[in-house]
Amino acid sequence: ELKVEQNPLFLSMQEGKNYTIYCNYSTTSDRLYWYRQDPGKSLESLFVLLSNGAVKQEGRLMASLDTKARLSTLHITAAVHDLSATYFCAVKETSGSRLTFGEGTQLTVNP
Amino acid sequence: SAVISQKPSRDICQRGTSLTIQCQVDSQVTMMFWYRQQPGQSLTLIATANQGSEATYESGFVIDKFPISRPNLTFSTLTVSNMSPEDSSIYLCSVAKGSGNQPQHFGDGTRLSIL
Repeated sequence: ELKVEQNPLFLSMQEGKNYTIYCNYSTTSDRLYWYRQDPGKSLESLFVLLSNGAVKQEGRLMASLDTKARLSTLHITAAVHDLSATYFCAVKETSGSRLTFGEGTQLTVNP
Repeated sequence: SAVISQKPSRDICQRGTSLTIQCQVDSQVTMMFWYRQQPGQSLTLIATANQGSEATYESGFVIDKFPISRPNLTFSTLTVSNMSPEDSSIYLCSVAKGSGNQPQHFGDGTRLSIL
């Protein structure tokens, strides 16, 4: 059974600081996704990582994937308050279409 | 990306009753899924809605409790049957096209409270 673990689960940081969220998974996967969820809202897709060594960047967020280590990271650069949200990674097993989600990282960026 | 309309957006129901949630997509999609998200928790897949055949349920979820229909490639329903307070949750529809190179897209969810 695929297990996906994120850490930290809660992150409080100051504006302007950098930090990284980690996503570990337990079995072989060929797709990893990052989503953002604002309170009371649905999930917004941020990144799709398709292969080992993939790196994608959008604004202050950068995601990477190491399939050998079964690890993805979401790096936040010079955080701003608008980035406050819960971030989920989700992993698709090699066979099938189902996604397994991590527990989520609740990020709070303080002025 | 697909535009997903999920109805109702929220409801408050009496225990023992049933509620059907609808998910409508503006274009044909290969895959449709139903998830549950309990307050402050992550998402758990309930089932994959298969067009023209019975849904594929995940461990811990059964058809009698969560019957699902998918009559065509743009529409699906999830019924939460014989509700109890433990069913209070957010129910989310998601859709995917193709092999997974594109992300699953999510509806706005149905916030369900059982009294």
